[in-house]
Order: sequence, then structure tokens, then C-alpha cells
Amino acid sequence: QVQLQESGPGLVKPSETLSLTCTVSGYSISSGYYWGWIRQPPGKGLEWIGSIYHSGSTYYNPSLKSRVTISVDTSKNQFSLKLSSVTAADTAVYYCACSTVTFFDYWGQGTLVTVSS
Amino acid sequence: NFMLTQPHSVSESPGKTVTISCTRSSGSIASNYVQWYQQRPGSSPTTVIYEDNQRPSGVPDRFSGSIDSSSNSASLTISGLKTEDEADYYCQSYDSSSLWVFGGGTKLTVL
Repeated sequence: QVQLQESGPGLVKPSETLSLTCTVSGYSISSGYYWGWIRQPPGKGLEWIGSIYHSGSTYYNPSLKSRVTISVDTSKNQFSLKLSSVTAADTAVYYCACSTVTFFDYWGQGTLVTVSS
Repeated sequence: NFMLTQPHSVSESPGKTVTISCTRSSGSIASNYVQWYQQRPGSSPTTVIYEDNQRPSGVPDRFSGSIDSSSNSASLTISGLKTEDEADYYCQSYDSSSLWVFGGGTKLTVL
């Protein structure tokens, strides 16, 4: 059973960079799957942010592409999200998940990140 | 790029059947698989239907999925409604340009 756990600051100041890490257990990231980030603003729907393939290829939501970087550290079995120049609109629960090419199979529990000074 | 449009909310009584629609704005609904996720308050989404009509193990057969090319839409049908089915439901699909796309979500109330 694949398990994912998000970690990172719960509060980020406007204009700064949001950084989150997802630690994977029960499966080796380098073995396969796409590893992605999805967010959900309070009371709103799900938005895919981006994904990285186990080979290192990255795929980003066009609406966020200019601000997003996703990377993987296979030695730690972790992958990370960086979202730059954040505003209050980036306040959301951030989920990490793994997916096939079609759907998200396993999800983390989510972590709330608030953008506020 | 395409969008997936869902009704904001639906409601039905216990024991009845409800259908939630998901309409694709451009491109064929049949060209890429559609998935459905259930999200209860305070919890992460879980898959109830994948690849249009496949149920993960552990999901009761009260849940079923289908696609309709004539309306360019997918549907999630839940029969024999239970109060525990009350949740938000999201459809999701994929294509090579828009990549992973979610619908806006539908709040199901079982009253």
C-alpha cells in the first residue's frame, strides 16, 4: 500500500515561495507512477498543480506553470513542490498524490497552507 | 484545453438512485478515460470509479460510471442511496495538452 505524507510550513508570507515535501512509503518513487500535487482552496474544488514522472519529466498546469517547480529526490523517496510569488489566492489544502497516466490512485492527507502577512 | 462541468449540487432520498453528470467542453469524452472521486468533509478524495466504469476493490457495486458520446458527458450513478454517500464528487479526465483536469465538484445531499 502506497502512503504519502505532506510536510512544510503552514503559513507563508505574500510574495514568498511556498515549499512542500511529500514523503512516500510502501513504494519506491523510481519504480514508476506519476507523482503530483493537487490543491483545494477552502470551500472550493480540486485543482491539479503539476506532476513529475519517476524518470524526472515534469508536467505543469498551464495556469500555474510560470510559478511552479516540482522535483524528486529518489534517495529520500520524496518529491517536492515550490510555488513562487504567492498571494492570498494560493491559500489552500495541498495534497500530494500518485497517479497513473489517467487517474490519481493514492493521496496524502493534505496540508493547509495559508498565505498571510 | 478543455473543462469538465458538473452540477453544483444534487439531492435525493435514501434508497433512491441519483446520477451526477460531467460534461466535457471540447474534444470527445470518449477520447480519454473519466474518473470519479468521493470526498467527505475533512478527508482526502478517494476513487469510486476509474477508466469510465471500473470500480476499485472495496467500492460497492451501487456505484457505476458511464459515458455518453451524444452529450459528450460522463455520469456517476449511485443506487440504493445511503446517508454515508453524502459527500462531494469530482470527475477528472486527462489529455495530452490540458493534462489532468478536474470538474468543479458536485455536493450530494442524501435527505
